[in-house]
Amino acid sequence: DVKVTQSSRYLVKRTGEKVFLECVQDMDHENMFWYRQDPGLGLRLIYFSYDVKMKEKGDIPEGYSVSREKKERFSLILESASTNQTSMYLCASSQTSGGPFFGPGTRLTVL
Amino acid sequence: GENVEQHPSTLSVQEGDSAVIKCTYSDSASNYFPWYKQELGKRPQLIIDIRSNVGEKKDQRIAVTLNKTAKHFSLHITETQPEDSAVYFCAANSGGSNYKLTFGKGTLLTVNP
Repeated sequence: DVKVTQSSRYLVKRTGEKVFLECVQDMDHENMFWYRQDPGLGLRLIYFSYDVKMKEKGDIPEGYSVSREKKERFSLILESASTNQTSMYLCASSQTSGGPFFGPGTRLTVL
Repeated sequence: GENVEQHPSTLSVQEGDSAVIKCTYSDSASNYFPWYKQELGKRPQLIIDIRSNVGEKKDQRIAVTLNKTAKHFSLHITETQPEDSAVYFCAANSGGSNYKLTFGKGTLLTVNP
């Protein structure tokens, strides 16, 4: 079974803080993704990575950055958290082709 | 970029009835169309997918159909059960990319016992 884990299920931060969300997958997948999920808006792609140290912007990259130093780990960074970044963040991984497998999600609240 | 429209946003059926969810996409280069099911408080899970070289795919009570000419694809669930109640998302890849999926906004399916 594919296992995608995220460092926190719930996180509360203050406006302006730097926030790190960590994701680890154990299936040697090439691709990793960060999505955010908001009611009525579905799943929107923030960033993805198809190889170590490689990254590409998704549909809503503004205010976020990512890091992939090892194949199994993909981090999402909010340089200066804002209230409009309050959301559910879902990490996912996939093989070269095929749909991504999602982690359990991190519900981030920015006060 | 790719635009995926999903309808209806909510769907309520009686147990044993069929349910159909429809999606349209805009990018003619799209060739991969997965469907995800998300139960309340859980992660989205891939339930079925279809590639552009086939028109229909079935897996027990679920099936997906694809019409590339019209740029639409549909999820069909037969003999619905209460455990089918969830939010369902369709998706399409952008520009033929293996990586970048654009998701629809989701359909909340409620199966009434």
